Amino acid sequence: AQKVTQAQTEISVVEKEDVTLDCVYETRDTTYYLFWYKQPPSGELVFLIRRNSFDEQNEISGRYSWNFQKSTSSFNFTITASQVVDSAVYFCALSEENAGGTSYGKLTFGQGTILTVHP
Amino acid sequence: AAGVIQSPRHLIKEKRETATLKCYPIPRHDTVYWYQQGPGQDPQFLISFYEKMQSDKGSIPDRFSAQQFSDYHSELNMSSLELGDSALYFCASSPPRGGTNTGELFFGEGSRLTVL
Repeated sequence: AQKVTQAQTEISVVEKEDVTLDCVYETRDTTYYLFWYKQPPSGELVFLIRRNSFDEQNEISGRYSWNFQKSTSSFNFTITASQVVDSAVYFCALSEENAGGTSYGKLTFGQGTILTVHP
Repeated sequence: AAGVIQSPRHLIKEKRETATLKCYPIPRHDTVYWYQQGPGQDPQFLISFYEKMQSDKGSIPDRFSAQQFSDYHSELNMSSLELGDSALYFCASSPPRGGTNTGELFFGEGSRLTVL
């Protein structure tokens, strides 16, 4: 069975600090996808990144960076120079192939990490 | 670009009533998913449809049913509503599998159901 663990329930930082959100996953599939989503207080799920299991390249997008390590089954997310607008719940998710083998949209989410950035 | 459209965005119902949520996937997407997110919880997969047929089932209560219509829109029907059904319900869609778009998933903004 798939499992995603975000050990940090809540993180509080002061603006301009760097912060890393941890994500550890379990799967027996060889092909899978990993996601990070941001959920602001308004409730929508904002897509941040999708990474497939064959691509271990780290990625940087502005102040955001992701470190994918298959050896430790981790997909960590770092925000550099955090801002108050980064305050939200962040979810890591793992997708598996659905029962019909037609798609990879069945996600298992982690419990989420509440990030609060103080001015 | 067109996104996944969900309606209504907010819905208030009494216990034991029935509710229907609608989802309009992105054009040419062939799979639709429903997720339920309770207060303070992570989203949980309910059910999915591929080409109008149910393709997978998660933790969907027997009181709930869903279907996908010929125009690919989907509806989630919830009957005998309970207080615990109060949640944010997300619909998502994905494009046909193959190539670099495999694994893409697009969420709607969600429908918030409150059961009183």
